[in-house]
Amino acid sequence: EVQLLESGGGLVQPGKSLRLSCAASGFTFNNYAMCWVRQAPGKGLEWVSAIGGGGGSTYYADSVKGRFTISRDNSKNTLYLQMNSLRAEDTAVYYCSKEKLIVGARTYAMDVWGQGTTVTVSS
Amino acid sequence: DIQMTQSPSTLSASVGDRVTITCRASQSISSWLAWYQQKPGKAPKLLIYKASSLESGVPSRFSGSGSGTDFTLTISSLQPDDFATYYCQQYNSYLWGFGQGTKVEIK
Repeated sequence: EVQLLESGGGLVQPGKSLRLSCAASGFTFNNYAMCWVRQAPGKGLEWVSAIGGGGGSTYYADSVKGRFTISRDNSKNTLYLQMNSLRAEDTAVYYCSKEKLIVGARTYAMDVWGQGTTVTVSS
Repeated sequence: DIQMTQSPSTLSASVGDRVTITCRASQSISSWLAWYQQKPGKAPKLLIYKASSLESGVPSRFSGSGSGTDFTLTISSLQPDDFATYYCQQYNSYLWGFGQGTKVEIK
């Protein structure tokens, strides 16, 4: 079964750091680009960051650029999001997601999602 | 960055109704448009990818259309399980983005 399991969320003070992890199973992890998507309480979905299958290409939303770093360890089938200089507006449920491929071709859609991990930034 | 305008923000409908949700991109995104369904407390679920391709396991009452800047999600006959929030998602030039969401409520 294809599965993503996030961890690492919690309560953190403004200006501090947190690292999220996403453990993948049931598919060949290094073949797929991965994304982080967040959802603030009562709000819509916001794309945060993406990383290519090899880990060499990374992309960020303007709202987190320079503060967040996405990475992956393909030997451990794990995706990470290092979040620095956290702000109250970073409070959200953070989801990791896997890109859908069709016969190896990219679709830029996300077909598998984790259950989410909650990050609360507050003093 | 491309802006996605999704409408309506809320939609009241009855079981059996035909429902249409639209997304407009601020510039062309070819067919790189997906639709998701999200229920409270749950992760989003992929319904449609590449504007009109139905995800495996998704009922055929869901369909997508459009290309360029204007896209539509249609539910041909609304079922009780379909009351949820729907999001469009675009991709262009190494950036992804979501529409604001459409909540489909029971009339």
